[in-house]
Amino acid sequence: GENVEQHPSTLSVQEGDSAVIKCTYSDSASNYFPWYKQELGKRPQLIIDIRSNVGEKKDQRIAVTLNKTAKHFSLHITETQPEDSAVYFCAASGGNTGFQKLVFGTGTRLLVSP
Amino acid sequence: EAGVVQSPRYKIIEKKQPVAFWCNPISGHNTLYWYRQNLGQGPELLIRYENEEAVDDSQLPKDRFSAERLKGVDSTLKIQPAELGDSAVYLCASRGPSAGGRGLNEQFFGPGTRLTVL
Repeated sequence: GENVEQHPSTLSVQEGDSAVIKCTYSDSASNYFPWYKQELGKRPQLIIDIRSNVGEKKDQRIAVTLNKTAKHFSLHITETQPEDSAVYFCAASGGNTGFQKLVFGTGTRLLVSP
Repeated sequence: EAGVVQSPRYKIIEKKQPVAFWCNPISGHNTLYWYRQNLGQGPELLIRYENEEAVDDSQLPKDRFSAERLKGVDSTLKIQPAELGDSAVYLCASRGPSAGGRGLNEQFFGPGTRLTVL
């Protein structure tokens, strides 16, 4: 089945810096890649997603890039703010696991210091 | 529009006791998921429902876990008997084309039930 690896496990940046979180997946047939943000004690919430038919997608300060050949995708946060501090999860679905089954990475704890 | 509702939010039980979690998905969402999230890990799928049918329960430990969604709306996840290793957050999520989210694929999560087994 699908396996998603996520790095780094923790990331500390200064306010205003950029942050990059990387994920790799194993199933070349996967075609949907969402990113979820989970604040302490709260529910995961979708912040951005990308389909396999595009290589990049942006939404204000966040962007996701996808390299299908290398089977990896990344989350980019620019001009980080303290409220960006949270755990971020990548996920993949599609292919042999079915379009509706998400396999999550292990998460990245982002800490943005003022 | 109300989000996914779960109860209870917290549950502390002794091992070997039974426990049940309840989830009410967003209105109109046909797909319902139960996930388990261990500390410091990502959510792991336990079971997926399409309406009242369990279409993917391959990762549900069937010797002690059971789930139902009798009318295709709310759902209950049960553990009997609970073991120490069952301590985790149990998340419910739902998905539907009428969600108004970023696309047809978005899963909306509930706040979760934090289970502690002593």
